[in-house]
Amino acid sequence: GAGVSQSPSNKVTEKGKDVELRCDPISGHTALYWYRQSLGQGLEFLIYFQGNSAPDKSGLPSDRFSAERTGGSVSTLTIQRTQQEDSAVYLCASSSTSGLVGNEQFFGPGTRLTVL
Amino acid sequence: DQQVKQNSPSLSVQEGRISILNCDYTNSMFDYFLWYKKYPAEGPTFLISISSIKDKNEDGRFTVFLNKSAKHLSLHIVPSQPGDSAVYFCAASTGGGNKLTFGTGTQLKVEL
Repeated sequence: GAGVSQSPSNKVTEKGKDVELRCDPISGHTALYWYRQSLGQGLEFLIYFQGNSAPDKSGLPSDRFSAERTGGSVSTLTIQRTQQEDSAVYLCASSSTSGLVGNEQFFGPGTRLTVL
Repeated sequence: DQQVKQNSPSLSVQEGRISILNCDYTNSMFDYFLWYKKYPAEGPTFLISISSIKDKNEDGRFTVFLNKSAKHLSLHIVPSQPGDSAVYFCAASTGGGNKLTFGTGTQLKVEL
């Protein structure tokens, strides 16, 4: 079946512009996660959605970052007034369960964001 | 504050030999550990995991060892194959895996 898809695959933007990154999780997966990987760093947790519960936003680095998940499926990560330090690969993952040992997170290919 | 550390950025191993990738963590609340493998331009893919109630988990050529007292885990790949060449990330979570904390990765190169 189809895996997690993300669009665009690459995005180049100018400092100060807003960007939207999209994630289509695996159908039926109730949990959705956003991570980012900056150059030379590990993956950094950003935000987590589980069903209709309030999202866990504890990893968002600033109030310029926001995310929503419409209809329990597609998610959009929005970065307002982008800065050069926002340049990274943004990865989305989904899983079929949450809070249970053994839930495997399936990752999309990522969106490479470059802020000039 | 890097709670999960992979101190070796790269490792080179000959085909057929054992690859040993290491990972250290500082947060004693972590109770579930995972290894992910990542090829260029692709997202990470799950490889193997271990719960803190175990000290070893094996799946084919891959074995993960956990030493809780040392806060250390390792991934053994034997025999190593050229297709194993990738970046390997160690990850940890508390209470079942909602938020994964990742290490910085180790680039494994398996040479012919």
